[in-house]
Amino acid sequence: GAVVSQHPSWVICKSGTSVKIECRSLDFQATTMFWYRQFPKQSLMLMATSNEGSKATYEQGVEKDKFLINHASLTLSTLTVTSAHPEDSSFYICSARRPLGGANTEAFFGQGTRLTVV
Amino acid sequence: AQKVTQAQTEISVVEKEDVTLDCVYETRDTTYYLFWYKQPPSGELVFLIRRNSFDEQNEISGRYSWNFQKSTSSFNFTITASQVVDSAVYFCALSEARSSSASKIIFGSGTRLSIRP
Repeated sequence: GAVVSQHPSWVICKSGTSVKIECRSLDFQATTMFWYRQFPKQSLMLMATSNEGSKATYEQGVEKDKFLINHASLTLSTLTVTSAHPEDSSFYICSARRPLGGANTEAFFGQGTRLTVV
Repeated sequence: AQKVTQAQTEISVVEKEDVTLDCVYETRDTTYYLFWYKQPPSGELVFLIRRNSFDEQNEISGRYSWNFQKSTSSFNFTITASQVVDSAVYFCALSEARSSSASKIIFGSGTRLSIRP
């Protein structure tokens, strides 16, 4: 079964509204989660690193005021797309790495959220 | 800086042919992980393999095999006797191995593989 769960799987919203996407680690604690964005026929681009209990780290060119990230617990990170516009329409994917012991981890990805802004 | 290059944007072969997807990476880290993921039209990423930089042994899993060449910074993926169900976008990816739970994964641009019946 899924180890990282993302919700919703798809959402349609009106331009100017805000949309919240949730990412949960189901059977492990994730102090760090990652948010990616994928435009059609393109690669996954890392947007930000979500850190539990502290501010997220954003990649260059990603507006932190537009893409609000909250990581209030060890199993939940949320991405809020504020004042969404059609150009924000994309596939958003979260990821978390589960420790396996020592320096080894296993990376898990959510199912993705397809956002369409109309 | 880390970088992953997948020079092949699209590949189309006839079913039962063998096909190799190329991946070249750049990193200053001495310890790192390499990955391959499959992304079918549904969008969900399917994990295929993770390889530690210390382990240069090639790996075979059924019809899939991987060739890791540290000397050329390549991690190529071969599908033998391809099937229509193999049609998808395949991503090669890289992450550092230190502080692993906080290590971000960097993806290549992907190769769209189409297997024709």
